Amino acid sequence: TQLLEQSPQFLSIQEGENLTVYCNSSSVFSSLQWYRQEPGEGPVLLVTVVTGGEVKKLKRLTFQFGDARKDSSLHITAAQPGDTGLYLCAGPNYGQNFVFGPGTRLSVLP
Amino acid sequence: EPEVTQTPSHQVTQMGQEVILRCVPISNHLYFYWYRQILGQKVEFLVSFYNNEISEKSEIFDDQFSVERPDGSNFTLKIRSTKLEDSAMYFCASSVVRASDTQYFGPGTRLTVL
Repeated sequence: TQLLEQSPQFLSIQEGENLTVYCNSSSVFSSLQWYRQEPGEGPVLLVTVVTGGEVKKLKRLTFQFGDARKDSSLHITAAQPGDTGLYLCAGPNYGQNFVFGPGTRLSVLP
Repeated sequence: EPEVTQTPSHQVTQMGQEVILRCVPISNHLYFYWYRQILGQKVEFLVSFYNNEISEKSEIFDDQFSVERPDGSNFTLKIRSTKLEDSAMYFCASSVVRASDTQYFGPGTRLTVL
């Protein structure tokens, strides 16, 4: 089973600050997905990155896939309270199912 | 926008009882999945389903679990004799074609076993 680690585990910042969270593995992934999960709800897809070195932007969120396709980062510019949630990275586990990282729990304080 | 739906949103049951969790995947998707998330823990893969049969299952998916696509739209997860440790959020997901395609998740069913 391929493993995904995420850091930091928890992050609490003030509104307006920038932040970066990381997703790492010792294995190569064909793609990685980022999801956001609210308490008691299902993961909501934010983005899929496929190509090594790929950068995708979603409003104030910037996602990057590492050149070697073993890691990914999510950068949020000028965080807002609405960004609060659990950010999960996930990827295909040898192409059969998804393996999830443990998540980064982000809290943006007004 | 098409979405995966799940019912019920919350199921409370007594230990030893059977439960059936229901999902309606996105209509043009061919791969279906069940995952679970115990409170405060990672999302864990249970089973994938394609072409009316299980394509892969995890070690969690033992003989107490079964899946079925009874009518071409619903996708169900049955737990035959629930245990306390089955209490978790259960998520259904679907993807267009290949298992490695992006998976879209339903809102989940919270199962509480008393």
